[in-house]
Formats: sequence, structure tokens, C-alpha cells
Amino acid sequence: KNEVEQSPQNLTAQEGEFITINCSYSVGISALHWLQQHPGGGIVSLFMLSSGKKKHGRLIATINIQEKHSSLHITASHPRDSAVYICAVRRVGGSEKLVFGKGTKLTVNP
Amino acid sequence: GAVVSQHPSWVICKSGTSVKIECRSLDFQATTMFWYRQFPKQSLMLMATSNEGSKATYEQGVEKDKFLINHASLTLSTLTVTSAHPEDSSFYICSARVRGHSPLHFGNGTRLTVT
Repeated sequence: KNEVEQSPQNLTAQEGEFITINCSYSVGISALHWLQQHPGGGIVSLFMLSSGKKKHGRLIATINIQEKHSSLHITASHPRDSAVYICAVRRVGGSEKLVFGKGTKLTVNP
Repeated sequence: GAVVSQHPSWVICKSGTSVKIECRSLDFQATTMFWYRQFPKQSLMLMATSNEGSKATYEQGVEKDKFLINHASLTLSTLTVTSAHPEDSSFYICSARVRGHSPLHFGNGTRLTVT
């Protein structure tokens, strides 16, 4: 079993829909990252969080440390949101290494 | 915001040749840079962690003599794929951060095809 599991693997939505992508992990972490990978391969860091909730524009990320679970929400989705969204965690213990989920491919149709 | 420039964005080379990929932090000093490899439809896999002025730390299974990493300054790290083989064809991407637990900044990646 992977240490970081994402669901769903693929997600298709209509423009305007509310999107939720989930991430569960099985190790103790010091931080969790949400990343966005565009079709060309470039990666943008969306959020880094260790507790609570963060919001940036139409994106919201939450984390529940006790339940070892995080969600990424996109409100009023748009075709330009189409990308692969990746959850990654840094284990406790000071290691620099990130453990990545397999990603969720989101397609938003107009 | 912080920008990481990776070059080249794509490269095609013949088997047996070496390829150098550069990763530059343009507007900040990166104490740590990371090199990843991603095969189609797979997760990012960390290859090595590079700290300025010291030897890179390679992940298990990554050949340090094949994937040479140099982090000679706080703004530049290079990955050289030596004696490339078709199985080295992949997407290579770097990331950098200032220190500690600050956010990561990624380059746009390099798609390597070895013929």
C-alpha cells in the first residue's frame, strides 16, 4: 500500500462545478503539499500546510492531522483548471524527502 | 514569486552520449535543490537531494556515477546523465527551496529522449 493515496484517480467535471480531490496518508508528517502539474509537465506548488485550512482564490486546501487526510477543493471550476493534482507529504524526522501520491487527473469541460 | 528556470525543456540524444540539464533559481538563493524523474503516468520519484557546496544525497537505486549532480552555487544545480541509454528516456524535473520547511519551487522540466 502506498504511503500517500489519492482519490479519485481521474475526474471529469463541467465548468462551474465544485471539485474535491482527496489525499490520505499513513505516516506521520511535518507538512503536506498540493501541487498542480500542467499537460506540458511544469509543476506549480499550490499549498503547503501542516494544519487547518488555506485558501487562495478559488482553491481551498484542508488537512485533518488526526485523520491523516487532506482535501483540495476548487470552486467554480474552469477548463483552465484541467491538470494533474498531486499530493505530497514530508515525513516527520527532518527528512527532506517528499513522498508523492500518484496524482488526480482533472478535466473540466466547457 | 520565486522562479526556477530549467534548461533545456526537451532534448533528444543518441545512446552513449551525455546530457546536462541545468536548474537555476532566478530570484532567490536555493540552499537545497531536488532532482526528480517521472515516467509516463507515474508519480514523481526523487532521484537525489543536492545541497550547495556538498555532495548530493542519492536515493536508493539511483546510480551516482550515471546521474552526476553538481550544486556549485546557491543558484545553480546541474544533472548530467552520462552514457545515456533509451531506458533513461524520461521527464526530469528539479525543485528548489530557500531553507527548512519553506515551499518548493519547481522548474518546468526536461523531457529526455534517448535514441
